[in-house]
Amino acid sequence: GEDVEQSLFLSVREGDSSVINCTYTDSSSTYLYWYKQEPGAGLQLLTYIFSNMDMKQDQRLTVLLNKKDKHLSLRIADTQTGDSAIYFCAERGTDKLIFGTGTRLQVFP
Amino acid sequence: DAGVTQSPTHLIKTRGQQVTLRCSPKSGHDTVSWYQQALGQGPQFIFQYYEEEERQRGNFPDRFSGHQFPNYSSELNVNALLLGDSALYLCASSSRDTQYFGAGTRLSVL
Repeated sequence: GEDVEQSLFLSVREGDSSVINCTYTDSSSTYLYWYKQEPGAGLQLLTYIFSNMDMKQDQRLTVLLNKKDKHLSLRIADTQTGDSAIYFCAERGTDKLIFGTGTRLQVFP
Repeated sequence: DAGVTQSPTHLIKTRGQQVTLRCSPKSGHDTVSWYQQALGQGPQFIFQYYEEEERQRGNFPDRFSGHQFPNYSSELNVNALLLGDSALYLCASSSRDTQYFGAGTRLSVL
């Protein structure tokens, strides 16, 4: 079946690194995505990784993919208060995206 | 370059009514997908339109229907509204591998 799981909440101090984890079930997924949602807003695409890659870095964001364990992570370096939001992991099924329930990241000073 | 635009931003309806939500895709995108996001949940796939045809559908009843126009814009229609249809409805457009989302329409059913 198709299922994406994430932990619900993460709290970090400003300036520290944040790591948000995700597990997925569909081994045939070609792409995996990270989206950010601020209160009352839509989803903002942060980054994505193709399934034949292990790692992708984009400025403060690092995505790690362990395909064997079906585990995806998003690391945010030097976390800022503006990073406070809900982060969704999504796998690409047949043309559709399958989302996790989201991880709420809270950044405190 | 405008991104994905959705209208209206907010809508209040009563049970049994019908609603139409609209979406204009990002320039150059020919595929539109609709998602429902209930409070505290991740988005759930409703359906996808490509070349004015419904290409794939999620686990939603027939009360949910859609349309895509020749200019690639799309509508989502929901008939016989239920209280449980209250949610944020998100439209996403894509041309290949990546879906970009609009700000959504928040529907409240009273």
